[in-house]
Amino acid sequence: GDSVTQMEGPVTLSEEAFLTINCTYTATGYPSLFWYVQYPGEGLQLLLKATKADDKGSNKGFEATYRKETTSFHLEKGSVQVSDSAVYFCALKGGSYIPTFGRGTSLIVHP
Amino acid sequence: DADVTQTPRNRITKTGKRIMLECSQTKGHDRMYWYRQDPGLGLQLIYYSFDVKDINKGEISDGYSVSRQAQAKFSLSLESAIPNQTALYFCATSDSRQRSFEQYFGPGTRLTVT
Repeated sequence: GDSVTQMEGPVTLSEEAFLTINCTYTATGYPSLFWYVQYPGEGLQLLLKATKADDKGSNKGFEATYRKETTSFHLEKGSVQVSDSAVYFCALKGGSYIPTFGRGTSLIVHP
Repeated sequence: DADVTQTPRNRITKTGKRIMLECSQTKGHDRMYWYRQDPGLGLQLIYYSFDVKDINKGEISDGYSVSRQAQAKFSLSLESAIPNQTALYFCATSDSRQRSFEQYFGPGTRLTVT
């Protein structure tokens, strides 16, 4: 079945540091890929998505590229801010009727 | 106004009590979901519904039941609450007409069973 593996956290960075959160997946066919973000005390919200190979999703300075050859969708940001502190979830929607989520990666950004 | 709302936002209840969590949406989506979130475990799917007459069990449905009263309303019930059901519960929606099937989440209900 479909599965998503993302790096364990917490990831702790200083403000303006470069961020990478790794995400790899297993799925048949051509799934859609997502990054969701959960700020403290809130529900998940879609951060970015990509629906086909080599697509790059981007939003709020975050980027992720759909790499079918490596089955990856790593999240990156060039310069993180304290306000980016949150939990980030990688997810996919493949042939199954329901999406599959990773376990989430907590990001803590210090001033 | 929020597109996906959940009530209550916080609830403390005792072991053995029946409790209902409610979810409403104004997005016009046909699909609705209930998830449970525990620290370090990510999201676990409890039940999902693709329309009013279609309800399906997720990976952890034991001890829970649901009702889809209308396209916009999806309720989750704990028939007899137990302490290990203490968790954060999220409702989500999606639109089957969207090719990417992205989901939209409510703000969550924090449930504590004592």
